[in-house]
Amino acid sequence: SSELTQDPVVSVALGQTVTITCQGDSLRSYYASWYQQRPGQAPLLVFYDKNSRPSGIPDRFSGTHSGLTAALTITGAQAEDEAEYYCQSRDSGGNYLVFGGGTKLTVL
Amino acid sequence: HLQLQESGPGLLKPSDTLSLSCSVSDDSISTSPYYWAWVRQAPGKGLEWIGSSSYRGNSFYNPSLTGRVSMSVDSSRRRISLRLISVTASDTAVYFCARDPGNSSTWYFDSWGQGTLVTVSS
Repeated sequence: SSELTQDPVVSVALGQTVTITCQGDSLRSYYASWYQQRPGQAPLLVFYDKNSRPSGIPDRFSGTHSGLTAALTITGAQAEDEAEYYCQSRDSGGNYLVFGGGTKLTVL
Repeated sequence: HLQLQESGPGLLKPSDTLSLSCSVSDDSISTSPYYWAWVRQAPGKGLEWIGSSSYRGNSFYNPSLTGRVSMSVDSSRRRISLRLISVTASDTAVYFCARDPGNSSTWYFDSWGQGTLVTVSS
């Protein structure tokens, strides 16, 4: 079982805003990173640390962090945003790395 | 733009040893504070971190694989290696190598290889 919990499935209407959440005790001490994975492809980093977005990632992707919860928000979801999204951080002891179970985002 | 490319045998038998390599396209392999990791994904499942290593030899592994896994970083050959002993069907997965810039307490991966499928079957 994962130390980071995500909702398995989330849907959003095209052009609307959606938030994907990640919960875990380790988030009390560490920020989460977020990855997008389309079928058959490698994961792609889309947001990390307190407020960092890699070069080339659209600014409609943003992240927040509060207490034991991290969130990835897509403002104005596009068809190409349909994918699996994984959060990742460290375990509560800070000794190893963990991924959330993933959230499948459907854009309607 | 960094490129990572995994390679290795695609089919193993139970109890075999899995050995994979990941070629790194630039000299960041021998630069601090980068770390290099292996992540796997079983068919239809989520991502699982296997372990991370630096070129200085610092390594740490997923506790669920302790005793079976080892990694190494060969900066002269620009290659990262993974070794997993006594494989079973549950080790069937796509194996990715990835780079951790090492500049954050969060640990994260900014570059990934395309992945290589390893199937364990008798």
